[in-house]
Amino acid sequence: GQNIDQPTEMTATEGAIVQINCTYQTSGFNGLFWYQQHAGEAPTFLSYNVLDGLEEKGRFSSFLSRSKGYSYLLLKELQMKDSASYLCCGTDSNYQLIWGAGTKLIIKP
Amino acid sequence: DSGVTQTPKHLITATGQRVTLRCSPRSGDLSVYWYQQSLDQGLQFLIQYYNGEERAKGNILERFSAQQFPDLHSELNLSSLELGDSALYFCASSLQGSQETQYFGPGTRLLVL
Repeated sequence: GQNIDQPTEMTATEGAIVQINCTYQTSGFNGLFWYQQHAGEAPTFLSYNVLDGLEEKGRFSSFLSRSKGYSYLLLKELQMKDSASYLCCGTDSNYQLIWGAGTKLIIKP
Repeated sequence: DSGVTQTPKHLITATGQRVTLRCSPRSGDLSVYWYQQSLDQGLQFLIQYYNGEERAKGNILERFSAQQFPDLHSELNLSSLELGDSALYFCASSLQGSQETQYFGPGTRLLVL
């Protein structure tokens, strides 16, 4: 079956670095998205990877390995406002969206 | 502001009732997606429309239906409401299909009493 797995919750310290992992099993693959969602708010786009490698965008980077069915989101210089849920979403060969349950990131001072 | 609008923001109704949620996509976007998010749960994809036609279906109950109109706005109809339907309902839009960035509306918070 098609599946996206990510940790339920992670805790990190302000100013530190955190890596949120996502593994996927899909029939075919056409890219992987990361979205950020603050509690009670709408998700907002962070990154999209379709080729292997690291995409850097300011404090946030996203990595993809198609052969391993694996992605991660790297957040550097953590700020309190980064406390949110991070959603991993893959697209299969038919461009169907498969969403992970989200990782709740808690930042402590 | 994503450019996607949803009305109403809040809705309180009783079990057994029917409600309609409305979504206007970003200007130029042809695809509209509907999602349900229960408290502290992940996003559940319900359905996608592209230029007026149903494109993909997720975990949408038979009591729920949706459509996209010629002006590209979309409506999600929820009928025979149950307590468990209480959730945040998001609409999102993208330029063409699901391989593109989705822009989410602020959501409609539905409470069924």
